[in-house]
Amino acid sequence: EPEVTQTPSHQVTQMGQEVILRCVPISNHLYFYWYRQILGQKVEFLVSFYNNEISEKSEIFDDQFSVERPDGSNFTLKIRSTKLEDSAMYFCASSRPSIGNTIYFGEGSWLTVV
Amino acid sequence: AQSVTQPDIHITVSEGASLELRCNYSYGATPYLFWYVQSPGQGLQLLLKYFSGDTLVQGIKGFEAEFKRSQSSFNLRKPSVHWSDAAEYFCAVGASGAGSYQLTFGKGTKLSVIP
Repeated sequence: EPEVTQTPSHQVTQMGQEVILRCVPISNHLYFYWYRQILGQKVEFLVSFYNNEISEKSEIFDDQFSVERPDGSNFTLKIRSTKLEDSAMYFCASSRPSIGNTIYFGEGSWLTVV
Repeated sequence: AQSVTQPDIHITVSEGASLELRCNYSYGATPYLFWYVQSPGQGLQLLLKYFSGDTLVQGIKGFEAEFKRSQSSFNLRKPSVHWSDAAEYFCAVGASGAGSYQLTFGKGTKLSVIP
């Protein structure tokens, strides 16, 4: 079964540093997403991406966040200047652009900001 | 805005016993409803989903869920739990906007299984 893959699985970074989390969505999917889960809290929507642009974003997704599809296979989330409160599990997901289609999640990238 | 409530933070059941995990949602239109499972160190795996039609939906691993519009509920059930079902379970409601899905998750219910 095709799957969404994410790298790295775990990253530790110093506060103020830039971080890039990478994802390879399922190949025939056209919608891509980032969600995050702060330890002990809900999984929260960050952003959705379609046709090389952001289609929706939450209020969490402020100017320090950006997404990009640099080539035909990767989808990245960049955090420009990390803060302690950015420590979380970040999930990439993808889906086909049709009603009724499942959103498939990757295994997550655990980010620890120290 | 949509919201999901999972009233049980932690449930413990004996292996072989039946299971019901509760989920209540709030959404103004017809909801798209999902149950995901997360094992320790793993990602989110879809168990089942409801979009329309039959209100009793079957999923993987022997799970089923019933959509009850009058109660705004989408409870997950399994007739006989296995030790491997120990995990965290998330209910989610999906809002379709501009073609994409913005899922709103509940806080999750952690399931422990006693041998």
